[in-house]
Amino acid sequence: GDSVTQMEGPVTLSEEAFLTINCTYTATGYPSLFWYVQYPGEGLQLLLKATKADDKGSNKGFEATYRKETTSFHLEKGSVQVSDSAVYFCALSEIKGAQKLVFGQGTRLTINP
Amino acid sequence: DAGVIQSPRHEVTEMGQEVTLRCKPISGHDYLFWYRQTMMRGLELLIYFNNNVPIDDSGMPEDRFSAKMPNASFSTLKIQPSEPRDSAVYFCASRRAGDTYEQYFGPGTRLTVT
Repeated sequence: GDSVTQMEGPVTLSEEAFLTINCTYTATGYPSLFWYVQYPGEGLQLLLKATKADDKGSNKGFEATYRKETTSFHLEKGSVQVSDSAVYFCALSEIKGAQKLVFGQGTRLTINP
Repeated sequence: DAGVIQSPRHEVTEMGQEVTLRCKPISGHDYLFWYRQTMMRGLELLIYFNNNVPIDDSGMPEDRFSAKMPNASFSTLKIQPSEPRDSAVYFCASRRAGDTYEQYFGPGTRLTVT
């Protein structure tokens, strides 16, 4: 079945560092891809999405590009802030049925001042 | 527009007691999902509904768990009897048919069973 594999955490960076969180997927066809963010004590929030190959999703300085050739959707940010500390989930939508979301295991990011 | 609403936000109960978690999806959304999040198992889909009808409950861990959606604006997840291993954060999410499949999550209910 469809699956998502994320870079294992936790990841700790200093403020203003460059961030990459790797995400690769296995799916039949061409699913939509998502990054969700979960701040402490809160539910998951959609951060960005891409619905077809070569699309770039972006929001709040974060970017991810849908790479069909490498089945990847890596999350990047050029200069992280302390407020970016959270857990990040990569997800894909199944092509068939109810298009359920399949989530990766999550990557905990901590940014130190 | 209000987001997904869940209640209670925190629940502490003793083993053997019945627990009911509640969810109000975003108005106009056709799909409702229940998830469980733990450190050990991550985020697990328990069950989902389409137009108030349960479609896939294969993620429900055992018969102690049941979920209902009596109308488009309300769903419950019940655990009876509860056990310590049910301690987790339970999320409800909803989405509209025809959207690009993104789901909107509630704030979650943190359940502790002692």
